[in-house]
Amino acid sequence: QKEVEQNSGPLSVPEGAIASLNCTYSDRGSQSFFWYRQYSGKSPELIMFIYSNGDKEDGRFTAQLNKASQYVSLLIRDSQPSDSATYLCAVRVSGAGSYQLTFGKGTKLSVIP
Amino acid sequence: GAVVSQHPSWVICKSGTSVKIECRSLDFQATTMFWYRQFPKQSLMLMATSNEGSKATYEQGVEKDKFLINHASLTLSTLTVTSAHPEDSSFYICSARSSGRASNTGELFFGEGSRLTVL
Repeated sequence: QKEVEQNSGPLSVPEGAIASLNCTYSDRGSQSFFWYRQYSGKSPELIMFIYSNGDKEDGRFTAQLNKASQYVSLLIRDSQPSDSATYLCAVRVSGAGSYQLTFGKGTKLSVIP
Repeated sequence: GAVVSQHPSWVICKSGTSVKIECRSLDFQATTMFWYRQFPKQSLMLMATSNEGSKATYEQGVEKDKFLINHASLTLSTLTVTSAHPEDSSFYICSARSSGRASNTGELFFGEGSRLTVL
């Protein structure tokens, strides 16, 4: 069974600090990895995706992927109170033409002013 | 990014009634749409994959006769919860993949979600 694991948190960081969110996955054949942000009562919104080993930066966000360790992370620099949300890690299941995503349970981030 | 609209955003119904939720892709054609359900403090659980012009593929444990999915056009998929019961109360979210995008990353666009409360 394909699984995506995240620490549920809550993860509390002071404003301006770096928040580090981690995710591991079980399917070694997974190809694409996504980070979504979900505010309470709202649907997820895509922050970043990554599919190659290494780092990918977009503004204050950096996604890191290590396929050998089956590990993907999201770093948020200069954290803001508005970043407080639940962050969902999602993995695209392997298979030709498959676009299903398997989601982790999410990590709740709280940025303290 | 692409826009996916979901309606209604919230609905309250009596036990035993049926509720229809619509998911529309507003600025792209979606050959495939996905329906998720999310209980409080839980992750999104895939219920079914909806393909335009064909029958939906349901995940294990999801009753196809209870959760009717229709994907009659490239921009609209509907989920009907039939004979709803209180345990069906949840946050239902649709997502879509654009058929026109060249990217192979599998990026999905989510609707706003529909919160169903069955009394």
